[in-house]
Amino acid sequence: NAGVTQTPKFQVLKTGQSMTLQCAQDMNHEYMSWYRQDPGMGLRLIHYSVGAGITDQGEVPNGYNVSRSTTEDFPLRLLSAAPSQTSVYFCASSYGGKTEAFFGQGTRLTVV
Amino acid sequence: DQQVKQNSPSLSVQEGRISILNCDYTNSMFDYFLWYKKYPAEGPTFLISISSIKDKNEDGRFTVFLNKSAKHLSLHIVPSQPGDSAVYFCAASGDAGGTSYGKLTFGQGTILTVHP
Repeated sequence: NAGVTQTPKFQVLKTGQSMTLQCAQDMNHEYMSWYRQDPGMGLRLIHYSVGAGITDQGEVPNGYNVSRSTTEDFPLRLLSAAPSQTSVYFCASSYGGKTEAFFGQGTRLTVV
Repeated sequence: DQQVKQNSPSLSVQEGRISILNCDYTNSMFDYFLWYKKYPAEGPTFLISISSIKDKNEDGRFTVFLNKSAKHLSLHIVPSQPGDSAVYFCAASGDAGGTSYGKLTFGQGTILTVHP
C-alpha cells in the first residue's frame, strides 16, 4: 500500500519561478490537505479539500493555489516562489469526520 | 494567535520511566484531538486520538487524557523506550460548519529524548 505519495522529495527554486508539488493517495479518502512546517511553528494548514471539486483556504494560503479534479490527487502550485516559502511541505488525507489524517513523506523546498 | 500550544520544547526521560507530554488549546469549538509522532525526514505518523465525549483513551503504552474544563490534554508513554525519541505534535479539530474536521491545528511540537 502506497498511502500518501508526495513528489518531489527535494526541490530548489529561484525566486519568481513556479512549480507544482504533487500529492496522490490510494486510500479513497475524501479529505486532503497541505501543510507547511517551519522551525518552532509546528504544521500550518495551507489549503484543504473535502472532495473532488471542493477546496478551501487554510491558515496560510497566500502564494499557493490548489485544485482537486480527482479523489486521488491534490497538487499544490506555487505561482511565483519567494524565499519566505522555503519550508517542508506535507500532504495529508483522511476519511473525514473524526478520523486520523495520514501524511506523506514531505517535500523540502528551498527558494533562493 | 496560537490556538494549540505545547509549552515544553523538549523533554528528556530515562528508559522505562513515564513520559508526559502536555498540550493546551484555546478554541472551545475543538472537540477532536490527536497526537502525532515525527522522526527526522519523515512525515508525521498518527499515534492516538480522543473525542471530547471521553476523558481518557488508551492504546498499549500510550494514553491520552483530556481535561475539557482546563482545555488541556496530555500524552503518557509508559514505559518509555529509546525508539520513542522523536518530535511529538498534538493537533485539534472541530465542527464549525460540518467540514472543519478536515482542518487540523497543530501545536509547535515537543522533542522527546529517551535515554537508555
